[in-house]
Amino acid sequence: DTEVTQTPKHLVMGMTNKKSLKCEQHMGHRAMYWYKQKAKKPPELMFVYSYEKLSINESVPSRFSPECPNSSLLNLHLHALQPEDSALYLCASSQPRQGLKTQYFGPGTRLLVL
Amino acid sequence: AQRVTQPEKLLSVFKGAPVELKCNYSYSGSPELFWYVQYSRQRLQLLLRHISRESIKGFTADLNKGETSFHLKKPFAQEEDSAMYYCALRSGNTGKLIFGQGTTLQVKP
Repeated sequence: DTEVTQTPKHLVMGMTNKKSLKCEQHMGHRAMYWYKQKAKKPPELMFVYSYEKLSINESVPSRFSPECPNSSLLNLHLHALQPEDSALYLCASSQPRQGLKTQYFGPGTRLLVL
Repeated sequence: AQRVTQPEKLLSVFKGAPVELKCNYSYSGSPELFWYVQYSRQRLQLLLRHISRESIKGFTADLNKGETSFHLKKPFAQEEDSAMYYCALRSGNTGKLIFGQGTTLQVKP
């Protein structure tokens, strides 16, 4: 399996809802990432997990809560989001070792906050 | 400051014409640079990385440290090359990718 998968593909939620995005990879990668991408803009890094530990939080609001339950799974828990949080959320994975950090991206979850 | 600059938002060429998508970077140290491509409604895909010095789909890119550039080139554009292209720089040991703003390549028939 050489792909990063993400579920759901699309998600519509209200500002009071709680939802979760899921990302999975079976390439043996030990670094996983969450990015946010607005239309016609580059991806913006949100979080990095390395060996299941959070190593980077790019000052993301607490209404986004990441979780890495094991080396293959990465979740993003969403609560009390704002309409401006509507975007494509991308997951990526890579090997964390020097020289092998090419990141492979999932197809994304397109989120709409009403 | 670490930065990637892609000066062109849109590059429009005719099929069969040469293509050069520009990328300049600012980084103190040895950079690791990548080109990613995003076709319409598809995932972001790795196209090239400078350490591999490979040619994918006819595209090549050479790292020029003197000019701090990593331009993407293809001698003869195809319509299926139409997509958004992002140049990216990997920052230090964190794995963080810094993306340029992207260039939309439009290849006309």
